[in-house]
Amino acid sequence: QVQLQESGPGLVKPSQTLSLTCTVSGDAIGRGDFYWSWIRQHPGKGLEWIGYVYHNGNTYYNPSLKSRLTISIDIFKNYFSLELISVTAADTAVYYCARDNGDYNPYFDYWGQGTLVTVSS
Amino acid sequence: QSVVTQPPSVSGTPGQRITISCSGSSSNIGSSYVFWYQQLPETAPKLLIYRDNQRPSGVPGRFSGSKSATSASLVISGLRSEDEGDYYCAVWDHSLVVRLFGGGTKLTVL
Repeated sequence: QVQLQESGPGLVKPSQTLSLTCTVSGDAIGRGDFYWSWIRQHPGKGLEWIGYVYHNGNTYYNPSLKSRLTISIDIFKNYFSLELISVTAADTAVYYCARDNGDYNPYFDYWGQGTLVTVSS
Repeated sequence: QSVVTQPPSVSGTPGQRITISCSGSSSNIGSSYVFWYQQLPETAPKLLIYRDNQRPSGVPGRFSGSKSATSASLVISGLRSEDEGDYYCAVWDHSLVVRLFGGGTKLTVL
């Protein structure tokens, strides 16, 4: 059974960097069969796709976040990570990681439970 | 305002059949597969329908998806109280070059 687990600080100060990790079990992310995505949900709002990473390090980002975003992968430790710089209160959200079936479609078949990140001083 | 629009809420009684719509344009629904996600209270979203009308293993046959031109629909038959939650459609947009979610529809089972 594939499982994903987000981890990272729950509180980040404005202008600083938000860093999260998604640890994957039950699947080897280095196999290259899937992509690995981050998705967020602002409090009481809908879902926003952030971006994905492939096993070889290739990425594709939401254009609205691209200038502040880095998603990376460690196939040996079986996790992938998100870094979002220069955060503001608008980045407060629940962040989910998900297994992504790739190409262009928003086809996420396994999700983490999500982690709330609050941006506040 | 979402590029892909859903009604904010729908409601129904147990056993009833309800439809949740998802409206877009030729640059998204009209030219891409539609996916549906169910988010029950305080849980992560779950894939419900993929590629317009395909159900993942384990999703009951009460849930079905369809698409016509630039609109898609999720139908839930035999509504149950445990279906109460939020439902999102999702699609690739060729013009914005991004994966988009609809604004979500809150389903209330009366």
